[in-house]
Amino acid sequence: AQSVTQLGSHVSVSEGALVLLRCNYSSSVPPYLFWYVQYPNQGLQLLLKYTTGATLVKGINGFEAEFKKSETSFHLTKPSAHMSDAAEYFCAVSPNTGNQFYFGTGTSLTVIP
Amino acid sequence: DAMVIQNPRYQVTQFGKPVTLSCSQTLNHNVMYWYQQKSSQAPKLLFHYYDKDFNNEADTPDNFQSRRPNTSFCFLDIRSPGLGDAAMYLCATSRERWDPYEQYFGPGTRLTVT
Repeated sequence: AQSVTQLGSHVSVSEGALVLLRCNYSSSVPPYLFWYVQYPNQGLQLLLKYTTGATLVKGINGFEAEFKKSETSFHLTKPSAHMSDAAEYFCAVSPNTGNQFYFGTGTSLTVIP
Repeated sequence: DAMVIQNPRYQVTQFGKPVTLSCSQTLNHNVMYWYQQKSSQAPKLLFHYYDKDFNNEADTPDNFQSRRPNTSFCFLDIRSPGLGDAAMYLCATSRERWDPYEQYFGPGTRLTVT
């Protein structure tokens, strides 16, 4: 069975500082991996995804994530936080045999001016 | 350009009074999903349609039903809403079921039960 763990339900960073949101998955076979962002009272918007190929994936709004098979991780980073990055971030996995999505519990990012 | 549209954005209903939430899509995707998201929690899949094929999650209460009259529209019916059903309801679509296509989400309908 798939599971997704997001370490840290709340993360605060200063404006301009590095953003690091952690995601680990459990699966015997590497799944497909996604990061979504959710602004207040909005749906989820895809930031980036990893399916195959290059393990460093670049997404929208300056975010990127690196798939590390040995660590079963897919952490999300951004070099310099902006106030507009304040939102809820969800990591999700999908087994490569179907399109069931398993979401992590989310990380709320606060950006301090 | 709106791709997944949910109406209404905010819905208030009374305890036990049936309510219907609407979702439409302009993407012509085969798969449509309904999620329930409670405050500070991850979205929880209720069911999905692959074309006209309905797939219910094992732990979705019988109180929740869905209809998909055509490719573009999908409805979530809550037959007798309880206070515990107050949540954000998210509709999503994806092109196919057996490929790693991402899901496209609508803005959600926030349901309040009084």
